[in-house]
Amino acid sequence: SQQGEEDPQALSIQEGENATMNCSYKTSINNLQWYRQNSGRGLVHLILIRSNEREKHSGRLRVTLDTSKKSSSLLITASRAADTASYFCATERMDSSYKLIFGSGTRLLVRP
Amino acid sequence: EAGVTQFPSHSVIEKGQTVTLRCDPISGHDNLYWYRRVMGKEIKFLLHFVKESKQDESGMPNNRFLAERTGGTYSTLKVQPAELEDSGVYFCASSQNTLDTQYFGPGTRLTVL
Repeated sequence: SQQGEEDPQALSIQEGENATMNCSYKTSINNLQWYRQNSGRGLVHLILIRSNEREKHSGRLRVTLDTSKKSSSLLITASRAADTASYFCATERMDSSYKLIFGSGTRLLVRP
Repeated sequence: EAGVTQFPSHSVIEKGQTVTLRCDPISGHDNLYWYRRVMGKEIKFLLHFVKESKQDESGMPNNRFLAERTGGTYSTLKVQPAELEDSGVYFCASSQNTLDTQYFGPGTRLTVL
């Protein structure tokens, strides 16, 4: 199956709540990147975490990486209606290829 | 600093016709990537340029797709002849170095009728 599987596929929360999305992958990686896509628009890069890092923060975003479990999580704190989007994790594998492998994404709905 | 730009934003063509998509990477980025998302499926890698050279074209679906990056600046992706299953969104991304963040353009939505 596709490397980079997000969980859940869809998430609906109230504004102000926290949203957690998970990503699992299969092979060893150089880094893992999270992207957001608003409806019908391009991919916006959120954060990159390298294989030797365990946690990174950017504003209201917190990303963790557990290479032993081959999994990552994206936490959005104090969510806003504007956070409504699809979120994708993408892995860059530890081989000679630099392509990103995307999962199918998590659709987040933040209700006002 | 301008981001990755793509043209056109939307293209509607008939089966059998030819379409050329263009991508302008972020200035100074040697690495340029093409990806696409076809109906209901994951975003998938097509190919990777380092400057004008094709580093990896393992994701190109068949020989109806031709990508070029003459001069190592902008890139074009030509589909000839287009088939119905080519419909989807084609994304371009660029990075300064490999293993760096890949910045994506807004995509070109291709509809083949």
